Amino acid sequence: EDQVTQSPEALRLQEGESSSLNCSYTVSGLRGLFWYRQDPGKGPEFLFTLYSAGEEKEKERLKATLTKKESFLHITAPKPEDSATYLCAVSHTSGTYKYIFGTGTRLKVLA
Amino acid sequence: DVKVTQSSRYLVKRTGEKVFLECVQDMDHENMFWYRQDPGLGLRLIYFSYDVKMKEKGDIPEGYSVSREKKERFSLILESASTNQTSMYLCASSSPDQPQHFGDGTRLSIL
Repeated sequence: EDQVTQSPEALRLQEGESSSLNCSYTVSGLRGLFWYRQDPGKGPEFLFTLYSAGEEKEKERLKATLTKKESFLHITAPKPEDSATYLCAVSHTSGTYKYIFGTGTRLKVLA
Repeated sequence: DVKVTQSSRYLVKRTGEKVFLECVQDMDHENMFWYRQDPGLGLRLIYFSYDVKMKEKGDIPEGYSVSREKKERFSLILESASTNQTSMYLCASSSPDQPQHFGDGTRLSIL
């Protein structure tokens, strides 16, 4: 069964304290892996797409990497405004455009 | 920028009522999706559509139906609302092989 697991469920960091969020997946054939950021009371906001093992994408303090079994979202020197829930999703090569979402990591960055 | 607009941010209805949630996108996307988001369960796909008048069931279609009469509009219908349908409802749209973009959600309470 296709599945996405994110860890940790929640993470508290001091401002400037770098860390990583994990997204482990099992899928019959990976088409793409997606990272989203979700602020309270809002819809998910697209961050990155990764397609193949070894691929990396960067945006400001965020860097996403992909292996054959998991993806990491590295946050370098985070600021309080990086506080949000980060969601990971995968789509597979079956020909549909359905996503399978993880339950997210709630990140809190303290000033 | 992609704009996905959901007609209501908050909605309160009574059990047994027929409820309509509307979603409009302005990017001429072929694909549109309805999800519900519940704490601890993540985003679950209710229905999706590849084209006008086309629809396919997602993972939890029971108690819901959809309508797509125009390319830009995708409606979710709760035929007879029940308390277990209290949730955050999210609409998304995408072009084929492009990431999904989400609206800000409708928080629906069924009393």
